[in-house]
Amino acid sequence: AIQLTQSPSSLSASVGDRVTITCRASQGISSALAWYQQKPGESPKLLIYDASSVESGVPSRFSGSGSGTDFTLTISSLQPEDFATYYCQLFNTYPLTFGGGSKVEIK
Amino acid sequence: QVQLVQSGAEVKKPGASVKVSCKASGYAFTNYYLHWVRQAPGQGLEWMGVINPRGGSTRYADNFQGRVTMTTDRSTSTVSMELSSLRSDDTAVYYCARDRSPIVVYAIGPCDLWGPGTMVTVSS
Repeated sequence: AIQLTQSPSSLSASVGDRVTITCRASQGISSALAWYQQKPGESPKLLIYDASSVESGVPSRFSGSGSGTDFTLTISSLQPEDFATYYCQLFNTYPLTFGGGSKVEIK
Repeated sequence: QVQLVQSGAEVKKPGASVKVSCKASGYAFTNYYLHWVRQAPGQGLEWMGVINPRGGSTRYADNFQGRVTMTTDRSTSTVSMELSSLRSDDTAVYYCARDRSPIVVYAIGPCDLWGPGTMVTVSS
């Protein structure tokens, strides 16, 4: 099975900061990668699909990039409501593996 | 509105089985795959498998093969996930989630609509 490794596993940042989270696949997956946001006690929310397509309703400060094995989620200017845990997920290949998560905390 | 409504929390003893249901509304039930994902307390997300609500075909993650059964009831727009031989490390929130693409697109994942989750506690 393809493994997804996220880094960092946690980070501290301030409102207004630019934040970058990385997801590395153990083998090439083209652009079949999605990003989710999950806040405590809530269900995950889809942010990005096809590596760089922003889901409808998601603020434009969220962006995704990459293909093959290396992917990035960027929050251009961190807002108070963005403090959460972010997960990448492989799709179009079984199993639909998730990365281990990256927790964004307030500095 | 478009939503997934899940059954309530469960407490089970080790070795027992649990069945969690997920009722879809507000969209064409048979047009989208439904996935099951679980999350142990304080841990990450784990994909369990997927079901085609139209025909009932399934694909399970290897970790759950032989212990999980996913079923569909088109008459009530409900899918269910049954996990057997429960262990303490099956304690988790279980989510159902709808695939973003219609089945006709021949894609599988990601998920754009999630249920609220069902807490399953396994304890003696």
